[in-house]
Amino acid sequence: NAGVTQTPKFRVLKTGQSMTLLCAQDMNHEYMYWYRQDPGMGLRLIHYSVGEGTTAKGEVPDGYNVSRLKKQNFLLGLESAAPSQTSVYFCASSPIWGRYTGELFFGEGSRLTVL
Amino acid sequence: KQEVTQIPAALSVPEGENLVLNCSFTDSAIYNLQWFRQDPGKGLTSLLLIQSSQREQTSGRLNASLDKSSGRSTLYIAASQPGDSATYLCAVGSGGGADGLTFGKGTHLIIQP
Repeated sequence: NAGVTQTPKFRVLKTGQSMTLLCAQDMNHEYMYWYRQDPGMGLRLIHYSVGEGTTAKGEVPDGYNVSRLKKQNFLLGLESAAPSQTSVYFCASSPIWGRYTGELFFGEGSRLTVL
Repeated sequence: KQEVTQIPAALSVPEGENLVLNCSFTDSAIYNLQWFRQDPGKGLTSLLLIQSSQREQTSGRLNASLDKSSGRSTLYIAASQPGDSATYLCAVGSGGGADGLTFGKGTHLIIQP
């Protein structure tokens, strides 16, 4: 039972480098989300998608881009990494009815350090 | 803007004790409230979901209550065990979906054997 899989799990970048985090879910969920978790800040929504080919901004979208070309995948990109983007990134997915039932499934996180 | 506060930030109790974790929110116009558990280095796992029309939900040794009018929820853990050690997060749903979730910062719980 894979559920929500994030790759890579750990990454160290230098300021200005770019990278992409991949989230894959095998539950045929419509909705997918990217959060960041920082000490003392709680989880904050970066971007989300309500279906293949659609994306929307969350609370803290600046410096990130996303794409949902396939229903099962949601990519989070950093075009020019900054130390402020050092964080743990979580992907989550939910079925359509999750908007009413609260069903939300999380990946195990990707720890990114920007030097 | 919805704000969610969890008290205490950290808690350490001996095994076997009953304990209460608190969550408060500023805007009572919510769809639901959810309690999550997060183990070190892992993602979040949903424990209990309370819809806005409900007062409480129970699962095993866990009981979550919701008082919308006062903007408060509690998570009660009975007969605590070392395996309950984790961070517990409260999330308030204001928009019907996860895009409308506001998370608290969590309570880090340690159960001493």
